[in-house]
Amino acid sequence: EAGVTQFPSHSVIEKGQTVTLRCDPISGHDNLYWYRRVMGKEIKFLLHFVKESKQDESGMPNNRFLAERTGGTYSTLKVQPAELEDSGVYFCASSQGWGAIGSMNTEAFFGQGTRLTVV
Amino acid sequence: DAKTTQPPSMDCAEGRAANLPCNHSTISGNEYVYWYRQIHSQGPQYIIHGLKNNETNEMASLIITEDRKSSTLILPHATLRDTAVYYCIVSAWWGAQKLVFGQGTRLTINP
Repeated sequence: EAGVTQFPSHSVIEKGQTVTLRCDPISGHDNLYWYRRVMGKEIKFLLHFVKESKQDESGMPNNRFLAERTGGTYSTLKVQPAELEDSGVYFCASSQGWGAIGSMNTEAFFGQGTRLTVV
Repeated sequence: DAKTTQPPSMDCAEGRAANLPCNHSTISGNEYVYWYRQIHSQGPQYIIHGLKNNETNEMASLIITEDRKSSTLILPHATLRDTAVYYCIVSAWWGAQKLVFGQGTRLTINP
């Protein structure tokens, strides 16, 4: 079974340009999450999709970031325009269920990440 | 979510048991203790979780104190491939909802 796949693995763009990151979750996983680690800091939650709906986007840093998950399958995270401080590693994760433990629940699987460098 | 405190780094000899401590003194009654690890250049990997009873799986054991204010992750026979940053996280949610990773413990397994 394929794991969580992220494309590209690396991206180098100039400040002001647009970059789109893609995440393919494990087949059948309704829940998809985006996290990122910017340079020198901790891994931070960005948002959570349940199927095609945004369940929680409280971690999105600003309106330069747009996440979509049309059809409830793969997801994209667009950064437009990119700034220097957006450099870091962007991780995607998926899980089959979610919620309070004891209800529908399952393990979460992370992808390898996309390393974004804005110059 | 409650915050956790972990030592920044630890060393362990290959083949020995690695014991990674975590303090979570403000944990709530409905929060579980999770452990993840991140091997260099890879995404975080789930290891184990528990509420109040000790837990064991194929990767590790988790020992939670009776007052739930601290826990220890045990890798029984550490190998070089266990070198990674280990994160102790408390959360009332499953999946990967709003996990707060913190700085973690950088565990180095020495040959």
